[in-house]
Amino acid sequence: AQSVTQPDIHITVSEGASLELRCNYSYGATPYLFWYVQSPGQGLQLLLKYFSGDTLVQGIKGFEAEFKRSQSSFNLRKPSVHWSDAAEYFCAVGPRSNDYKLSFGAGTTVTVRA
Amino acid sequence: DAGVTQSPTHLIKTRGQHVTLRCSPISGHKSVSWYQQVLGQGPQFIFQYYEKEERGRGNFPDRFSARQFPNYSSELNVNALLLGDSALYLCASSLAGRQGFYEQYFGPGTRLTVT
Repeated sequence: AQSVTQPDIHITVSEGASLELRCNYSYGATPYLFWYVQSPGQGLQLLLKYFSGDTLVQGIKGFEAEFKRSQSSFNLRKPSVHWSDAAEYFCAVGPRSNDYKLSFGAGTTVTVRA
Repeated sequence: DAGVTQSPTHLIKTRGQHVTLRCSPISGHKSVSWYQQVLGQGPQFIFQYYEKEERGRGNFPDRFSARQFPNYSSELNVNALLLGDSALYLCASSLAGRQGFYEQYFGPGTRLTVT
């Protein structure tokens, strides 16, 4: 069955420290891959996307993600976290078919401590 | 440029009632998708519309329906509301095309509470 897994429900990181959020997917073929961020009470903001090509993708707000086909993963990273990065992060996938929906993981909540 | 707009921001309904949620896409975007996000979970796909045609439907009962207008705005309707319909309803707009459909930009959502 197709699925998107974010293994970490909650991560706490110190301001200035690095951050890595994990995302694994289970699809027959490599899907399109996305990361979104959601602040409390807000909608989702697109951080970055992967369609094809270079497996290291740069996004907004200093985030990057790396696609690893062998591990079926698309992990999100940021070298130095700011307090404003505290939010919930969702990995999403879109299958390369005529099914144009996005399937989301359950999300990872990031807390930033001073 | 204005992003995706949704109205209302919040609303409270009683079980059995009907609700209509509205969405205006980003200018130039012709596709609109609807998602339901229950507290503590990721969004779940409900519908996608393109050029007023339904392009996809998620695993939701027939109480949920939607439509898209000539100006590409969209409405989501839910009949016979249940307590379990309480959620944040998100609208997303996208361009057309194989990759375009998937690159979805979300509005702030409508928080629906059913009592």
